[in-house]
Amino acid sequence: QKEVEQNSGPLSVPEGAIASLNCTYSDRGSQSFFWYRQYSGKSPELIMFIYSNGDKEDGRFTAQLNKASQYVSLLIRDSQPSDSATYLCAVNEKGSSNTGKLIFGQGTTLQVKP
Amino acid sequence: DTAVSQTPKYLVTQMGNDKSIKCEQNLGHDTMYWYKQDSKKFLKIMFSYNNKELIINETVPNRFSPKSPDKAHLNLHINSLELGDSAVYFCASSQSGRGPQHFGDGTRLSIL
Repeated sequence: QKEVEQNSGPLSVPEGAIASLNCTYSDRGSQSFFWYRQYSGKSPELIMFIYSNGDKEDGRFTAQLNKASQYVSLLIRDSQPSDSATYLCAVNEKGSSNTGKLIFGQGTTLQVKP
Repeated sequence: DTAVSQTPKYLVTQMGNDKSIKCEQNLGHDTMYWYKQDSKKFLKIMFSYNNKELIINETVPNRFSPKSPDKAHLNLHINSLELGDSAVYFCASSQSGRGPQHFGDGTRLSIL
């Protein structure tokens, strides 16, 4: 059974700090990695996606991918109370580049305290 | 303009009834999905269509039947609803299976 693991949290950080969210996956053949933000009672919202090893930055967000260690992370710089949400890691299943089958982690709840 | 829209947003019904959820996307994507998010917030794929062709059919009771009349629309019909069907059902779309998936607002299904 292919798995995506996240610490459910809550992860609590003070306003202005860096929040670090981590995700590990079991399918070594996975090639596409996504981070979604989900506010309570709302739908998942795409934050970042990354396909290659290394870092990818977009504003206050940085996604980091290490395929050898099967590890993907999301850094949020200058965290704001509005960043408080559940962050879902999603990984495509090997061989699913045509089907788009994603395996989601259970999500990490982030709390940013003023 | 809403990119991926679902109707209805809320669905409250009794056990044994049959209900449908509709989804439409105006992003020009060729692939659409149905997901189920249970009470523990775990999001799991159910079905996927690419250009009206069923390409993902997960282990889902055959009471659930998807239908895609065209690549911009994907519907989900559920027969003989059971208590365990209570969940939030999300529609999503992407350009091919590799592109990022964009989600609709969800349909909150409650079975009495």
